[in-house]
Amino acid sequence: GENVEQHPSTLSVQEGDSAVIKCTYSDSASNYFPWYKQELGKRPQLIIDIRSNVGEKKDQRIAVTLNKTAKHFSLHITETQPEDSAVYFCAASKGRSSGTYKYIFGTGTRLKVLA
Amino acid sequence: DAGITQSPRHKVTETGTPVTLRCHQTENHRYMYWYRQDPGHGLRLIHYSYGVKDTDKGEVSDGYSVSRSKTEDFLLTLESATSSQTSVYFCAISDPDRGISPLHFGNGTRLTVT
Repeated sequence: GENVEQHPSTLSVQEGDSAVIKCTYSDSASNYFPWYKQELGKRPQLIIDIRSNVGEKKDQRIAVTLNKTAKHFSLHITETQPEDSAVYFCAASKGRSSGTYKYIFGTGTRLKVLA
Repeated sequence: DAGITQSPRHKVTETGTPVTLRCHQTENHRYMYWYRQDPGHGLRLIHYSYGVKDTDKGEVSDGYSVSRSKTEDFLLTLESATSSQTSVYFCAISDPDRGISPLHFGNGTRLTVT
Protein backbone atom coordinates (compact mmCIF):
# COMPACT_ATOMS: atom_id res chain seq x y z
CA GLY A 1 0.00 0.00 0.00
CA GLU A 2 0.92 3.66 0.08
CA ASN A 3 3.75 4.46 2.42
CA VAL A 4 5.95 7.39 3.40
CA GLU A 5 9.20 6.76 5.24
CA GLN A 6 10.83 9.59 7.16
CA HIS A 7 14.37 9.83 8.57
CA PRO A 8 15.82 10.50 11.02
CA SER A 9 13.36 10.06 13.85
CA THR A 10 15.34 12.45 16.05
CA LEU A 11 17.85 15.12 15.11
CA SER A 12 19.91 17.39 17.33
CA VAL A 13 21.82 20.33 15.88
CA GLN A 14 23.67 23.28 17.30
CA GLU A 15 22.02 26.66 16.92
CA GLY A 16 23.06 28.19 13.63
CA ASP A 17 23.73 24.87 11.94
CA SER A 18 21.60 23.35 9.19
CA ALA A 19 19.11 20.50 9.56
CA VAL A 20 17.97 18.10 6.87
CA ILE A 21 15.03 15.70 7.08
CA LYS A 22 14.39 13.15 4.34
CA CYS A 23 11.26 11.34 3.18
CA THR A 24 10.66 8.61 0.65
CA TYR A 25 7.27 7.81 -0.83
CA SER A 26 6.04 4.65 -2.51
CA ASP A 27 3.22 5.80 -4.79
CA SER A 28 4.61 7.22 -8.02
CA ALA A 29 1.25 8.95 -8.62
CA SER A 30 1.84 11.26 -5.65
CA ASN A 31 2.00 14.85 -6.82
CA TYR A 32 1.91 17.07 -3.76
CA PHE A 33 4.27 17.06 -0.77
CA PRO A 34 3.58 19.28 2.23
CA TRP A 35 5.65 19.63 5.39
CA TYR A 36 4.14 20.28 8.79
CA LYS A 37 5.64 21.55 12.03
CA GLN A 38 4.12 20.52 15.33
CA GLU A 39 5.12 22.19 18.56
CA LEU A 40 4.54 20.40 21.83
CA GLY A 41 0.84 20.08 22.64
CA LYS A 42 -0.25 21.91 19.51
CA ARG A 43 -1.69 21.04 16.12
CA PRO A 44 0.43 20.39 13.03
CA GLN A 45 0.85 23.49 10.92
CA LEU A 46 1.87 23.72 7.29
CA ILE A 47 5.28 25.33 6.81
CA ILE A 48 6.10 24.65 3.18
CA ASP A 49 4.91 22.48 0.32
CA ILE A 50 6.03 21.45 -3.14
CA ARG A 51 4.25 20.13 -6.21
CA SER A 52 5.55 17.40 -8.46
CA ASN A 53 6.31 19.76 -11.34
CA VAL A 54 8.84 21.69 -9.24
CA GLY A 55 12.27 20.52 -8.08
CA GLU A 56 12.92 22.99 -5.29
CA LYS A 57 11.11 25.65 -3.31
CA LYS A 58 12.45 28.11 -0.75
CA ASP A 59 10.87 30.28 1.90
CA GLN A 60 13.39 32.26 3.91
CA ARG A 61 15.37 29.74 6.01
CA ILE A 62 13.46 26.67 4.89
CA ALA A 63 13.55 24.85 1.57
CA VAL A 64 12.20 21.65 0.15
CA THR A 65 13.68 19.59 -2.68
CA LEU A 66 11.97 16.86 -4.67
CA ASN A 67 13.49 14.04 -6.71
CA LYS A 68 10.62 12.34 -8.55
CA THR A 69 12.81 9.70 -10.12
CA ALA A 70 14.05 8.50 -6.76
CA LYS A 71 10.72 9.26 -5.10
CA HIS A 72 12.16 11.23 -2.26
CA PHE A 73 11.92 14.75 -0.94
CA SER A 74 13.75 16.64 1.77
CA LEU A 75 13.29 19.55 4.14
CA HIS A 76 16.26 21.85 4.70
CA ILE A 77 16.41 24.36 7.54
CA THR A 78 19.35 26.73 7.57
CA GLU A 79 20.63 28.90 10.41
CA THR A 80 18.56 26.95 12.92
CA GLN A 81 17.15 28.73 15.93
CA PRO A 82 15.77 27.40 19.25
CA GLU A 83 12.22 28.10 18.05
CA ASP A 84 12.75 25.60 15.24
CA SER A 85 12.67 22.85 17.88
CA ALA A 86 9.54 20.80 17.13
CA VAL A 87 8.34 17.64 15.44
CA TYR A 88 8.30 17.82 11.66
CA PHE A 89 6.09 15.65 9.46
CA CYS A 90 6.29 15.07 5.74
CA ALA A 91 3.30 13.92 3.73
CA ALA A 92 2.51 12.76 0.22
CA SER A 93 -0.72 13.10 -1.64
CA LYS A 94 -2.08 12.31 -5.07
CA GLY A 95 -4.95 14.05 -6.72
CA ARG A 96 -8.13 13.15 -8.35
CA SER A 97 -8.98 15.16 -11.42
CA SER A 98 -10.14 17.99 -9.19
CA GLY A 99 -7.18 18.07 -6.80
CA THR A 100 -5.56 16.33 -3.88
CA TYR A 101 -7.76 14.44 -1.47
CA LYS A 102 -5.84 11.92 0.64
CA TYR A 103 -2.61 12.39 2.57
CA ILE A 104 -0.17 9.81 3.89
CA PHE A 105 2.20 11.06 6.58
CA GLY A 106 5.69 10.08 7.61
CA THR A 107 6.30 9.10 11.23
CA GLY A 108 7.85 12.43 12.18
CA THR A 109 11.26 13.85 13.10
CA ARG A 110 11.87 15.44 16.47
CA LEU A 111 14.29 18.30 15.90
CA LYS A 112 16.16 19.76 18.86
CA VAL A 113 18.15 22.92 18.35
CA LEU A 114 20.77 23.26 21.07
CA ALA A 115 21.65 26.78 22.19
CA ASP B 1 -6.26 30.09 11.50
CA ALA B 2 -8.73 27.86 9.66
CA GLY B 3 -12.10 27.75 11.42
CA ILE B 4 -11.96 24.23 12.84
CA THR B 5 -13.28 23.35 16.28
CA GLN B 6 -12.91 19.96 17.90
CA SER B 7 -14.90 18.88 20.92
CA PRO B 8 -14.28 17.77 23.52
CA ARG B 9 -10.61 18.75 23.90
CA HIS B 10 -10.04 16.07 26.51
CA LYS B 11 -11.98 12.92 27.30
CA VAL B 12 -11.46 10.07 29.74
CA THR B 13 -13.70 7.05 29.31
CA GLU B 14 -13.89 3.43 30.34
CA THR B 15 -13.30 0.41 28.14
CA GLY B 16 -16.47 -0.70 26.41
CA THR B 17 -18.26 2.66 26.43
CA PRO B 18 -19.24 4.51 23.26
CA VAL B 19 -17.51 7.79 22.50
CA THR B 20 -18.25 10.44 19.89
CA LEU B 21 -15.82 13.17 18.89
CA ARG B 22 -17.01 16.17 16.96
CA CYS B 23 -15.33 18.33 14.35
CA HIS B 24 -16.97 21.55 13.25
CA GLN B 25 -15.70 23.79 10.44
CA THR B 26 -16.76 27.22 9.26
CA GLU B 27 -14.75 27.17 5.99
CA ASN B 28 -17.29 25.31 3.85
CA HIS B 29 -14.57 22.86 2.75
CA ARG B 30 -15.81 19.68 1.11
CA TYR B 31 -13.16 17.35 2.49
CA MET B 32 -12.86 16.49 6.18
CA TYR B 33 -10.55 13.94 7.80
CA TRP B 34 -9.96 12.19 11.09
CA TYR B 35 -6.38 11.25 12.04
CA ARG B 36 -4.96 9.70 15.15
CA GLN B 37 -1.51 10.52 16.43
CA ASP B 38 0.57 8.07 18.43
CA PRO B 39 4.28 8.09 19.32
CA GLY B 40 6.31 6.35 16.65
CA HIS B 41 3.42 6.22 14.20
CA GLY B 42 2.94 9.82 13.21
CA LEU B 43 -0.47 10.76 11.86
CA ARG B 44 -2.59 7.91 10.60
CA LEU B 45 -5.79 8.38 8.64
CA ILE B 46 -8.91 6.83 10.19
CA HIS B 47 -11.70 8.00 7.89
CA TYR B 48 -12.34 10.88 5.60
CA SER B 49 -15.34 12.51 3.95
CA TYR B 50 -15.60 14.10 0.53
CA GLY B 51 -19.11 15.46 0.96
CA VAL B 52 -22.32 15.14 2.93
CA LYS B 53 -22.96 11.45 3.55
CA ASP B 54 -19.88 10.55 1.46
CA THR B 55 -17.16 8.87 3.50
CA ASP B 56 -14.33 6.42 2.98
CA LYS B 57 -11.96 4.40 5.13
CA GLY B 58 -8.39 5.26 5.90
CA GLU B 59 -5.54 3.02 6.97
CA VAL B 60 -6.70 2.43 10.57
CA SER B 61 -10.50 2.39 10.36
CA ASP B 62 -11.27 -0.75 12.38
CA GLY B 63 -13.26 0.09 15.50
CA TYR B 64 -14.29 3.52 14.23
CA SER B 65 -17.28 4.87 12.34
CA VAL B 66 -18.02 8.33 11.01
CA SER B 67 -20.97 10.39 9.92
CA ARG B 68 -21.40 13.60 8.05
CA SER B 69 -24.97 14.85 7.88
CA LYS B 70 -24.03 18.44 6.99
CA THR B 71 -21.03 20.13 5.44
CA GLU B 72 -19.75 21.71 8.64
CA ASP B 73 -19.80 18.68 10.96
CA PHE B 74 -17.86 15.42 10.88
CA LEU B 75 -18.37 12.99 13.75
CA LEU B 76 -16.06 10.16 14.78
CA THR B 77 -17.59 7.38 16.88
CA LEU B 78 -15.90 4.63 18.82
CA GLU B 79 -18.73 2.15 19.31
CA SER B 80 -16.99 0.33 22.16
CA ALA B 81 -13.78 2.03 23.24
CA THR B 82 -10.65 -0.03 23.86
CA SER B 83 -7.35 0.91 25.51
CA SER B 84 -5.63 0.74 22.11
CA GLN B 85 -7.76 3.70 21.05
CA THR B 86 -6.12 5.95 23.64
CA SER B 87 -4.62 8.61 21.40
CA VAL B 88 -4.74 12.19 20.25
CA TYR B 89 -7.31 12.66 17.50
CA PHE B 90 -7.00 15.42 14.94
CA CYS B 91 -9.63 16.59 12.54
CA ALA B 92 -8.47 18.24 9.32
CA ILE B 93 -10.09 19.93 6.36
CA SER B 94 -9.10 20.69 2.79
CA ASP B 95 -10.66 22.21 -0.29
CA PRO B 96 -9.32 20.34 -3.36
CA ASP B 97 -12.14 21.61 -5.56
CA ARG B 98 -10.05 24.77 -5.87
CA GLY B 99 -6.94 22.82 -6.89
CA ILE B 100 -4.16 21.44 -4.72
CA SER B 101 -5.16 22.16 -1.15
CA PRO B 102 -3.15 21.47 2.00
CA LEU B 103 -4.68 20.06 5.14
CA HIS B 104 -5.54 22.40 7.98
CA PHE B 105 -5.82 20.80 11.38
CA GLY B 106 -7.98 21.37 14.41
CA ASN B 107 -6.46 21.58 17.88
CA GLY B 108 -6.97 17.92 18.65
CA THR B 109 -8.84 15.79 21.17
CA ARG B 110 -6.89 13.81 23.74
CA LEU B 111 -8.78 10.59 24.47
CA THR B 112 -7.86 8.26 27.30
CA VAL B 113 -9.54 4.87 27.58
CA THR B 114 -9.06 3.26 31.00
